Amino acid sequence: GENVEQHPSTLSVQEGDSAVIKCTYSDSASNYFPWYKQELGKGPQLIIDIRSNVGEKKDQRIAVTLNKTAKHFSLHITETQPEDSAVYFCAASGRTGANNLFFGTGTRLTVIP
Amino acid sequence: DTGVSQDPRHKITKRGQNVTFRCDPISEHNRLYWYRQTLGQGPEFLTYFQNEAQLEKSRLLSDRFSAERPKGSFSTLEIQRTEQGDSAMYLCASRPTQGNTEAFFGQGTRLTVV
Repeated sequence: GENVEQHPSTLSVQEGDSAVIKCTYSDSASNYFPWYKQELGKGPQLIIDIRSNVGEKKDQRIAVTLNKTAKHFSLHITETQPEDSAVYFCAASGRTGANNLFFGTGTRLTVIP
Repeated sequence: DTGVSQDPRHKITKRGQNVTFRCDPISEHNRLYWYRQTLGQGPEFLTYFQNEAQLEKSRLLSDRFSAERPKGSFSTLEIQRTEQGDSAMYLCASRPTQGNTEAFFGQGTRLTVV
């Protein structure tokens, strides 16, 4: 099955700086890569996603890049704000069946005011 | 509120007791998933329904676990003879159509087995 690894597990940045979180996946058949933000006591919420036919996608301060050859993808948050503090999860999903999501272990991002 | 709804939000039970959780997906979504999340980990897939049919089950879903979606709308997840290792957040997610689209998650049910 798919194996998703995520780094770092914790990340602290000063407000206004950029944050980068990296993930790798094992199954070359995976073709959908969402990123979720999870705040304490809440369910994960999608912040951005990318499909395998695209190398980069941007939405305001958030961008995701995908390298299919190397099987890795990254989340970039620019101009970080204290409200960006949360746990971020990457995930990968295959083409067939349930299109089940396989999640990384999460990155706890702390933005220091 | 038209999001995914889960009930209860918290459940404390004694070891050996049975518990049942409910998930109400977004109304037009025919695909429903259950995940389990333990502290410091990402969600792990448990089972998947398309309409009322349970099409996939993870090896994590032991025979003490059973899930149903009788009318293709809400779903229930039952854990029989709970063990301390069952303590986790149980998340439900729904998706509208076939293929890879956004999965909408509920707030989860946090189970504590004492």
